[in-house]
Amino acid sequence: SQQGEEDPQALSIQEGENATMNCSYKTSINNLQWYRQNSGRGLVHLILIRSNEREKHSGRLRVTLDTSKKSSSLLITASRAADTASYFCATESKSSGDKLTFGTGTRLAVRP
Amino acid sequence: DGGITQSPKYLFRKEGQNVTLSCEQNLNHDAMYWYRQDPGQGLRLIYYSQIVNDFQKGDIAEGYSVSREKKESFPLTVTSAQKNPTAFYLCASSTANYGYTFGSGTRLTVV
Repeated sequence: SQQGEEDPQALSIQEGENATMNCSYKTSINNLQWYRQNSGRGLVHLILIRSNEREKHSGRLRVTLDTSKKSSSLLITASRAADTASYFCATESKSSGDKLTFGTGTRLAVRP
Repeated sequence: DGGITQSPKYLFRKEGQNVTLSCEQNLNHDAMYWYRQDPGQGLRLIYYSQIVNDFQKGDIAEGYSVSREKKESFPLTVTSAQKNPTAFYLCASSTANYGYTFGSGTRLTVV
């Protein structure tokens, strides 16, 4: 079963603009993670945010977590063409046996 | 370099044939996972193993089998009982409180 749902499903922006992707989930979590997938490749881990954290930064990435709304957002600032990929949120929870459950992803296209 | 290696990159299966996908890691991770990804979809968990000689079914285990005889290796067999095996298969490993490390995937096609 899939717990995370990303929004929007697809996003197209101009290079230099910011990209925001959202993720909603259903049950209480231990942590939430964001991954990136280039076409036909494996997933790359971007950020892990724990349930007692509200915001984390990594380079041009900013992740927020609102456990009261069961939602998270991933912000990519000053986007580049190389950021073109699919982005997935994944949740780890006791209800999933501490295994990751992935959402359906947001396809981001950054136009040069 | 530490990481996960999946092979082959592409695999073709005939009807009624069993095929085995390889996954090897040198990260010293205890836990390993197999996911299936269909076009435009998220990942669905097939099997996982949290320790050597032990593994558990995921959400879509029917038609698949695994073994975990060594910490480094977690091969996946797609059996003839899996009626719709064409998909992208991803192997991952993890250690506590960190994200998963994924292999580069195997694309399986039925011919």
